[in-house]
Amino acid sequence: GQQVQQSPTSLVLQEGENAELQCNFSTSLNSMQWFYQRPGGSLISVFYNPSGTKQSGRLTSTTVIKERRSSLHISSSQITDSGTYLCAMGGSNAKLTFGKGTKLSVKS
Amino acid sequence: GPKVLQIPSHQIIDMGQMVTLNCDPVSNHLYFYWYKQILGQQMEFLVNFYNGKVMEKSKLFKDQFSVERPDGSYFTLKIQPTALEDSAVYFCASSSYWGSYEQYFGPGTRLTVL
Repeated sequence: GQQVQQSPTSLVLQEGENAELQCNFSTSLNSMQWFYQRPGGSLISVFYNPSGTKQSGRLTSTTVIKERRSSLHISSSQITDSGTYLCAMGGSNAKLTFGKGTKLSVKS
Repeated sequence: GPKVLQIPSHQIIDMGQMVTLNCDPVSNHLYFYWYKQILGQQMEFLVNFYNGKVMEKSKLFKDQFSVERPDGSYFTLKIQPTALEDSAVYFCASSSYWGSYEQYFGPGTRLTVL
């Protein structure tokens, strides 16, 4: 079945540093999404990015289908970026398979 | 952007009781999903639903679970009877098309079974 590996599992940064989060997939993908999950549990969609590169403010996502990977780059991190980042892939069916997440802590 | 609403945000019930979780999907979306996340664990797919039918369900979707969307109203997840291991946050999602399209998620319903 579909498997999603996220790395690192946790990351601690000083405010202003950059972060690079990785997601690797075991099978070919048809869709790919990045989410931010607050400590309270609510889910916020960050990117829908099945291929190529997308940017929104300080966030950039790059998905390389042939290499079965996607990355999320956070530049100039802020304390409010702290939380868990989840990636999820969709295969030929319509279900998303999630990774276990990267827990990001940004300190002043 | 498009919003999915979930009612209630929290629900506490006694084991063995029935519970119905409600989802108001994005207007005009036709495909609906439920996911389950036990506290501190990975988000997992439960079921997807289209045109009044379950299209695919996971092993987590036990016989005590059912889904429906009567007459275009709420998309519901019913658990009857509930068990302690059903305690989790349940997320509803919807999409406009099948397969390789973005799924829009609700804020989740935190279910606690005592």
